[in-house]
Amino acid sequence: AQSVAQPEDQVNVAEGNPLTVKCTYSVSGNPYLFWYVQYPNRGLQFLLKYITGDNLVKGSYGFEAEFNKSQTSFHLKKPSALVSDSALYFCAVRDYGNKLVFGAGTILRVKS
Amino acid sequence: NAGVTQTPKFRVLKTGQSMTLLCAQDMNHEYMYWYRQDPGMGLRLIHYSVGEGTTAKGEVPDGYNVSRLKKQNFLLGLESAAPSQTSVYFCASRDGLAGSNNEQFFGPGTRLTVL
Repeated sequence: AQSVAQPEDQVNVAEGNPLTVKCTYSVSGNPYLFWYVQYPNRGLQFLLKYITGDNLVKGSYGFEAEFNKSQTSFHLKKPSALVSDSALYFCAVRDYGNKLVFGAGTILRVKS
Repeated sequence: NAGVTQTPKFRVLKTGQSMTLLCAQDMNHEYMYWYRQDPGMGLRLIHYSVGEGTTAKGEVPDGYNVSRLKKQNFLLGLESAAPSQTSVYFCASRDGLAGSNNEQFFGPGTRLTVL
């Protein structure tokens, strides 16, 4: 079965610094990968996805993600973090039957 | 467009009671999903539907039933609630175009507590 892992429960970064939220995947075949963000007491919001093509994917709110096939990773990045980026971030992979399998989530805390 | 809406937003049940959670979407999406979110476990798929009149089991289907009588609605039922079903429930939908890898759109969630 397809799976993703988010090795960090929480990431802390200072406002203005670059941030990285890590995700690794395990799939049979080509991976279809997604990042979602969840703000407190809200549903998940789509940030970006990798299907094929350019390994650097740009998404909403200034986020981007780098697909690395040799390292089976799909890390989420932003050059300059904002306090408002503080939220819970989920990596997900498309599974058979048009389903998504989610990682456990990573809490991002950006301090001013 | 309202997107994906969920009713109710909060509910407290006693063990053994039943209830139905309603999900509605106005985007004409083919696929609909029910997830539960528990701390440290991400989102786990309960049931899903690939079109009106169809349903399928996800990762954690036990204790839940679903129905998709209308394309825009996806109902999640708990026949006899248990404390283990205390969770936040999310509904999602997505476009069903052939070969589509479109993202899922999520509702705001229902927080359910079973005492």
